[in-house]
Amino acid sequence: NAGVTQTPKFRVLKTGQSMTLLCAQDMNHEYMYWYRQDPGMGLRLIHYSVGEGTTAKGEVPDGYNVSRLKKQNFLLGLESAAPSQTSVYFCASSYPRATGYYGYTFGSGTRLTVV
Amino acid sequence: AQKVTQAQTEISVVEKEDVTLDCVYETRDTTYYLFWYKQPPSGELVFLIRRNSFDEQNEISGRYSWNFQKSTSSFNFTITASQVVDSAVYFCALSEAGGYGGATNKLIFGTGTLLAVQP
Repeated sequence: NAGVTQTPKFRVLKTGQSMTLLCAQDMNHEYMYWYRQDPGMGLRLIHYSVGEGTTAKGEVPDGYNVSRLKKQNFLLGLESAAPSQTSVYFCASSYPRATGYYGYTFGSGTRLTVV
Repeated sequence: AQKVTQAQTEISVVEKEDVTLDCVYETRDTTYYLFWYKQPPSGELVFLIRRNSFDEQNEISGRYSWNFQKSTSSFNFTITASQVVDSAVYFCALSEAGGYGGATNKLIFGTGTLLAVQP
């Protein structure tokens, strides 16, 4: 049981390049989330999804797009990378609270550097 | 709006000292969950504890203990007899109401406290 898998683990981009981060979970979780972690800022929510085919903006959505075409996958896209997007990105998943399960499973993170 | 405040940015202690990490939260929800996560230098997030808003009992797990007080909106974390392996960033987090019907179950993090335990 792999849990939440993020690919790639590391990436260096040039300003203006695009890329997609993939998050895959095998726990049949309904909810998925993308966070970014910056020094002194904690983890901030970028986008989230409460089910297949649905996405919504979080706290810091600008410059990112997401898609949830399959329940198990949540993709985070950067259309034109900027140095301000240098960060560590974490994906997480969870069941809805109504199911009686209240935990979150996090991926191991993707370290992205934009030069 | 929900908010989590960890006022201590960095704490440095000598091994075997006790240390308390503070967490203050704000929410208008009557039902919510509080979490602590540990992030060691390797970078992964390690789940430590989850507490729901209806359970104010303190909890002890080995050298770790948690003090949840709704009256002061605090959920503090104490490490007794700290060890070098406790060196990490510790995050407190709040989960807003979630479930079916459009809720999101979003997890809101504090900015973290860097704990350095010196040998």
